[in-house]
Amino acid sequence: QKEVEQDPGPLSVPEGAIVSLNCTYSNSAFQYFMWYRQYSRKGPELLMYTYSSGNKEDGRFTAQVDKSSKYISLFIRDSQPSDSATYLCAMIPLSGGSYIPTFGRGTSLIVHP
Amino acid sequence: DADVTQTPRNRITKTGKRIMLECSQTKGHDRMYWYRQDPGLGLRLIYYSFDVKDINKGEISDGYSVSRQAQAKFSLSLESAIPNQTALYFCATSDAVRGATGELFFGEGSRLTVL
Repeated sequence: QKEVEQDPGPLSVPEGAIVSLNCTYSNSAFQYFMWYRQYSRKGPELLMYTYSSGNKEDGRFTAQVDKSSKYISLFIRDSQPSDSATYLCAMIPLSGGSYIPTFGRGTSLIVHP
Repeated sequence: DADVTQTPRNRITKTGKRIMLECSQTKGHDRMYWYRQDPGLGLRLIYYSFDVKDINKGEISDGYSVSRQAQAKFSLSLESAIPNQTALYFCATSDAVRGATGELFFGEGSRLTVL
């Protein structure tokens, strides 16, 4: 079993829908949780990160972390066709020193007009 | 110009050939990484380097080697390419502050096909 599990999709939604993207993990040492967005033929770019549990909002994007369930989510409100991309979750443990992110497989999101 | 530049962007080669993928950055970061991306498998770490004299193996280093020629340059070599090394390869950079929170800056990728 991978340390970080993420459904690859694709997830297809109509424009304006609320999108929920999720990851589960098994390593309780993970403390930093990131979401990267990757457009076709491009490298991933950091969308937002959250430390420990709780919510973080940035415009139409909200990241949630539930450490008790080892479950993280990214919500996209009022989704737009320009949000069509692959979304990768990533996590880092607080201890251990190397701070190398462990990535999920990525979920492909398609927002159709 | 891109902050993290990978060359070549696309390469087709034959089994047994030696291949080098190059990465250079203008961000002034000390940390550099090589990842491989395969459909359905996500990003997997091949090697990483925290400074010029530091080289570390990642999750899938077998069949690969790296060279950190300068702070700004990090090359990935496949000594004898095989078909299952066909993949999209990404170079990434970070510094100590951003790296601690997982912020990596990726290049646009090098697509390698081994026939």
